[in-house]
Amino acid sequence: EVQLLESGGGLVRPGESLRLSCVASGFTFTSYAMSWVRQAPGKGLEWVSTVSGSGASTYYADSVTGRFTISRDSSKNTLYLQMNSLRAEDTAVYYCAKAVNRNSGTYFDYWGQGTLVTVSP
Amino acid sequence: EIVMTQSPATLSVSPGERATLFCRASQSVSSNLAWYQQKPGQAPRLLIYGVSTRATAIPTRFSGSGSGTEFTLTISSLQSEDFAVYYCQQYNNWPPYTFGQGTKLEIK
Repeated sequence: EVQLLESGGGLVRPGESLRLSCVASGFTFTSYAMSWVRQAPGKGLEWVSTVSGSGASTYYADSVTGRFTISRDSSKNTLYLQMNSLRAEDTAVYYCAKAVNRNSGTYFDYWGQGTLVTVSP
Repeated sequence: EIVMTQSPATLSVSPGERATLFCRASQSVSSNLAWYQQKPGQAPRLLIYGVSTRATAIPTRFSGSGSGTEFTLTISSLQSEDFAVYYCQQYNNWPPYTFGQGTKLEIK
């Protein structure tokens, strides 16, 4: 059974940093790209970032480029999102999502339960 | 960036009736279109990919159709558990992956 378990969310002040983690199980971690998708309170889904199965390729939404860094550790089956220079508009539930392939364009077949990030003075 | 537009924003339907949800892309996404269901407090769940292929364990009352820029999700004979928010997503031209703003399906 595929499971994705996020952690690391919390309340931070604008300009501060936070690192999210997502522990994956039930599938061969390195065989699939992984992504972060966020949802602001009462709003829709927004793709944030994707990392390829090998970790060699990363992609970011314009809204987070230069501030967020996605990475993965295959030895720990864990996906990360390092978030720096956080802004109020980054407030959202952050979901870890599994792609259906290693590299190319994809939909997301499994999602974690989400972790809430709140950026407020 | 491909903009996905869903309509209507809210759809009120009685249990047992059919619901039809629409998704339009600002340019062709070929058949690279997925649909998700999200219930309050839960993560999204994949329903449909490749326009019309149901994901694992998705009931046959859910069906998708369309091509290019116009897509439809149909739910025949609505059950109580189907009332939720539905999102379409394109994965043809990326980054970024883009989602529609969602359609809330509510009980009439």
